[in-house]
Amino acid sequence: GAGVSQSPRYKVAKRGQDVALRCDPISGHVSLFWYQQALGQGPEFLTYFQNEAQLDKSGLPSDRFFAERPEGSVSTLKIQRTQQEDSAVYLCASNPKEYFGPGTRLLVL
Amino acid sequence: AQSVTQLGSHVSVSEGALVLLRCNYSSSVPPYLFWYVQYPNQGLQLLLKYTTGATLVKGINGFEAEFKKSETSFHLTKPSAHMSDAAEYFCAVSPSGNTGKLIFGQGTTLQVKP
Repeated sequence: GAGVSQSPRYKVAKRGQDVALRCDPISGHVSLFWYQQALGQGPEFLTYFQNEAQLDKSGLPSDRFFAERPEGSVSTLKIQRTQQEDSAVYLCASNPKEYFGPGTRLLVL
Repeated sequence: AQSVTQLGSHVSVSEGALVLLRCNYSSSVPPYLFWYVQYPNQGLQLLLKYTTGATLVKGINGFEAEFKKSETSFHLTKPSAHMSDAAEYFCAVSPSGNTGKLIFGQGTTLQVKP
């Protein structure tokens, strides 16, 4: 594809439900970042992959958040037992400074 | 710790007027600095970036920014605002150069009045 894609674009979850958010980076891009953007705020770093290696996960807010990139391309951010405070837009970036995906807007009810 | 402060959460200008969005940063190492624009329900689009060299950086859509180390600032300007410039703007710093994570400011909403 021409850019970074994310799916789903919108997700409504009931509190306590598990969700999985997908990021398809630009083919061949080694680096992949996840950010969380709360309403009215700037994005905040969650985690970073270089190929399949998760080099930094210091931004993950709790152990309910888990990210993987098993083959060094597509990445999945999983949130277990979602809480209302998880409601945000989740952004993926590949070759991080230039290419951001459109984001997944998660609403936890 | 590195941080970014954007002065003014909302800026309103008239069409054709100068746009000035302020950004100050703190970093213990020479930073890479970025400006992004975000339109409603879209991801971030890179406007411009400063890495090394010339301190006046030109970006897309007529925007430019000047890195001033003495003032720890990286303000974004555009000589003449267009209606299409109305959006959210984010300043960001990457203290680890081009390979590291970004630290974003809180954002500035630019309103352009006809």
